Amino acid sequence: GAGVSQSPSNKVTEKGKDVELRCDPISGHTALYWYRQRLGQGLEFLIYFQGNSAPDKSGLPSDRFSAERTGESVSTLTIQRTQQEDSAVYLCASSLSYGRAWNGYTFGSGTRLTVV
Amino acid sequence: RKEVEQDPGPFNVPEGATVAFNCTYSNSASQSFFWYRQDCRKEPKLLMSVYSSGNEDGRFTAQLNRASQYISLLIRDSKLSDSATYLCVAYAGNNRKLIWGLGTSLAVNP
Repeated sequence: GAGVSQSPSNKVTEKGKDVELRCDPISGHTALYWYRQRLGQGLEFLIYFQGNSAPDKSGLPSDRFSAERTGESVSTLTIQRTQQEDSAVYLCASSLSYGRAWNGYTFGSGTRLTVV
Repeated sequence: RKEVEQDPGPFNVPEGATVAFNCTYSNSASQSFFWYRQDCRKEPKLLMSVYSSGNEDGRFTAQLNRASQYISLLIRDSKLSDSATYLCVAYAGNNRKLIWGLGTSLAVNP
């Protein structure tokens, strides 16, 4: 697509429920990243996918968080047993490739998750 | 010490003013640098890359000082629409990550 598409744009869920967030990167972008941004805070790296390589999961805050990506297309971020501290905007970004990060990322508009 | 540090501000300036932001980075292996702009409740958007020789795009000038490990962004003739948070980003190939600063908040007042 023309841009990075994320869905849903907003999600309100009850504490303890599982949620799934979706990201459609720009067509042809081999690298895909998930970030979290809490209100008034900076970007927090979660996970990175590059082609068929093993993902870099070093930023995932707990084992309740997981992410998948099929080839170079859609990615889903799953949060199990949501907690109130999971409330944040979850941003997805894509770029042509890791080695060409000088192009910078293009971000989607994010999913605003609220856990009540 | 954070890997990328920025003065959080806020910077409050009148329209037409010139304002400069600095950003320091701790990883001497950092290779590429960027400035992103983030409007309130929006996603970050790439403003400009920062090259060793410095670069200019209209009213915006970015410079890199590798010896002192800092990057700067200069905005001339500030517009109301420049009000946003400006994020400094460093990329180091050795750890293969983009490291984000927490941002500097700018408010341009009429």
